[in-house]
Amino acid sequence: DQQVKQNSPSLSVQEGRISILNCDYTNSMFDYFLWYKKYPAEGPTFLISISSIKDKNEDGRFTVFLNKSAKHLSLHIVPSQPGDSAVYFCAASALTNAGKSTFGDGTTLTVKP
Amino acid sequence: DADVTQTPRNRITKTGKRIMLECSQTKGHDRMYWYRQDPGLGLRLIYYSFDVKDINKGEISDGYSVSRQAQAKFSLSLESAIPNQTALYFCATSQGLYNQPQHFGDGTRLSIL
Repeated sequence: DQQVKQNSPSLSVQEGRISILNCDYTNSMFDYFLWYKKYPAEGPTFLISISSIKDKNEDGRFTVFLNKSAKHLSLHIVPSQPGDSAVYFCAASALTNAGKSTFGDGTTLTVKP
Repeated sequence: DADVTQTPRNRITKTGKRIMLECSQTKGHDRMYWYRQDPGLGLRLIYYSFDVKDINKGEISDGYSVSRQAQAKFSLSLESAIPNQTALYFCATSQGLYNQPQHFGDGTRLSIL
């Protein structure tokens, strides 16, 4: 039973447009959500996070939205740049689970010049 | 210098061999983790350690063992490697709060023939 799902394995957008990456979760105990970005031959790096007490968190071009009732979060990148091309992982954690993170399978974003 | 260093970066070995993957960190974090990534899939937790005297199994610990030699060092061993353990392995660290992001090494690509 996969508790964190990223249903789109890949996404392609034009430079300057918006990229929207989606993530769904099933465990209602999750109360903290993170997005990581991964380039080839490198480890994932933290991008942005959101607590379950919020519905939006913004950091420059990156915004994460959380819809708790739908158990859904999304990452918006505006405007998208070619350097944003990477694999994006959604992760969720719960205080009741010692804070261990559960990761989705990732979405490969390609931003075309 | 990298904050989280994994050695080796690549390793090819034969079925039945014992192999150790090493991880060291200069971030001063208490928590350390070992993950495995298979193609097209997310990160799955093998083992984690919240301090030197605390070792815990993750979701896929069978066939693996770990040692936390010091706060800064966490090694993963495959006692008798088998081909389906061929994967990309990541070490990560985090501070001692559940909502802190993890910091990853650049991974070890392990191939078992």
